[in-house]
Amino acid sequence: QVQLQQWGAGLLKPSETLSLTCAVYGGSFSDYYWSWIRQPPGRGLEWIGEINDSGRTTYNPSLKSRVTISADTSKNHFSLNLNSVTASDTAVYYCVRGYCTDGVCSPLEPFHIWGQGTVVTVSS
Amino acid sequence: DIQMTQSPSTLSASVGDRVTITCRASQSISTWLAWYQQKPGKAPNLLIYKASSLQRGVPSRFSGGGSGTEFTLTISSLQPDDFATYYCQQYHTYPYTFGQGTNLEI
Repeated sequence: QVQLQQWGAGLLKPSETLSLTCAVYGGSFSDYYWSWIRQPPGRGLEWIGEINDSGRTTYNPSLKSRVTISADTSKNHFSLNLNSVTASDTAVYYCVRGYCTDGVCSPLEPFHIWGQGTVVTVSS
Repeated sequence: DIQMTQSPSTLSASVGDRVTITCRASQSISTWLAWYQQKPGKAPNLLIYKASSLQRGVPSRFSGGGSGTEFTLTISSLQPDDFATYYCQQYHTYPYTFGQGTNLEI
């Protein structure tokens, strides 16, 4: 059974860079689309961006200027960097594997397998 | 961005009730819509994709419908485990966007 395990610093100061990594266990990195999604305290979900096994990335325009998503397929993991953080970046961050409808993995699919979430707090 | 609007924001119900949550998209998304259930402190769980397809392992009391701009999630007979927050999400166009959530409470 595929599991995503994520880690990274949980407390940052304003202007620092948020860095999280997500490892894929029990399944292949290939063929799938891998996303980062965040959820501010008591609020809804915001998609940050995605990457596939070829390194193709797509970002949310609202965060694009500050976000980099990368992957290391040899280690079966992918990472999120968000620079110049502010208090509004405080959230639970999730790594997620995209769904494959009828066994076909494409961009623009729902979100299927989720990591456990990492609480990130930005405070001076 | 495509805006997703759910109603109601909070829904009070009892075990055994039939409940329906509505999700509206700001433009047509065909049937590229998913529904998720989220419990406190947990990641969301995919319930329905392509507006009406039940994800494997999800109880059949959950059903989805709609197309274009208006969609529904129906739970036919509420069970204690169903009290949670529900989100709709469009995957027709980047960026993916979610509704604000519906808190289903006792």
